[in-house]
Amino acid sequence: EAGVAQSPRYKIIEKRQSVAFWCNPISGHATLYWYQQILGQGPKLLIQFQNNGVVDDSQLPKDRFSAERLKGVDSTLKIQPAKLEDSAVYLCASSLGLAESNEQFFGPGTRLTVL
Amino acid sequence: AQSVTQLDSHVSVSEGTPVLLRCNYSSSYSPSLFWYVQHPNKGLQLLLKYTSAATLVKGINGFEAEFKKSETSFHLTKPSAHMSDAAEYFCVVSPGGKLIFGQGTELSVKP
Repeated sequence: EAGVAQSPRYKIIEKRQSVAFWCNPISGHATLYWYQQILGQGPKLLIQFQNNGVVDDSQLPKDRFSAERLKGVDSTLKIQPAKLEDSAVYLCASSLGLAESNEQFFGPGTRLTVL
Repeated sequence: AQSVTQLDSHVSVSEGTPVLLRCNYSSSYSPSLFWYVQHPNKGLQLLLKYTSAATLVKGINGFEAEFKKSETSFHLTKPSAHMSDAAEYFCVVSPGGKLIFGQGTELSVKP
C-alpha cells in the first residue's frame, strides 16, 4: 500500500517569496492534516480536512497561510509571503476518519528554509 | 485543554540496557494517548496507542507503555535498547482526533 506522498522534499526561498507544498494521502483516507514542525519541537496542527471541508484551521496563520483540498483527495498548502520564522518541516498526514482511535499516517515532510 | 509533557529532552543509554522515556498528560477525561517515533529524514511512525482498553499497551519493536491514571503518566519502556532505536520519540494526546504532540525526547544509544 502506498503511503502519504509529499513534494517537494526540500525548498529554499527568500523571505517575502511564496511557496506551495503538495500532499497526496493514502487512498480512501477521508481525513487529511497539515502540521508544522519547527526544529527542536513537536509537530503542531495547522489545518484538518474531512473530505473537501475544513474541520479545524484555528492554528493556521490565515494572513499568510492557505490550504485547499478541492476534490477531497490531494491537498496544497501555500505560504505567501514567507517569513524567516516559517522555516520548518511541513508534514502531511491522513487517516480513515475523525475518530480518536484512527491512526494517522505521516508523509516524509517538506523541509522549508526561508533566508 | 489536553496536553502532554515529556520530562526529558534527551536520554542516553547503552545498547542492551533498559529504556525509559517519561510522559505526563493533562486531561479532564480519559484520553487517547500515543507514542510516535521519528527517525532522521523519515516520517513519523506510530509505536503504540492507548484507547481506554488494557492499561499496559504493547507496541512495535519491543516497546510498551503503561497508562497510570493516578499518576497521569504514560511512560514508554523497552527492556533492552538496540542501536536502531536511536531516534526522536513523541508522546501524543488526541482530543477529537487531533494530535497534540509533546516536545519530544531524543534517545541516543551507545555501543
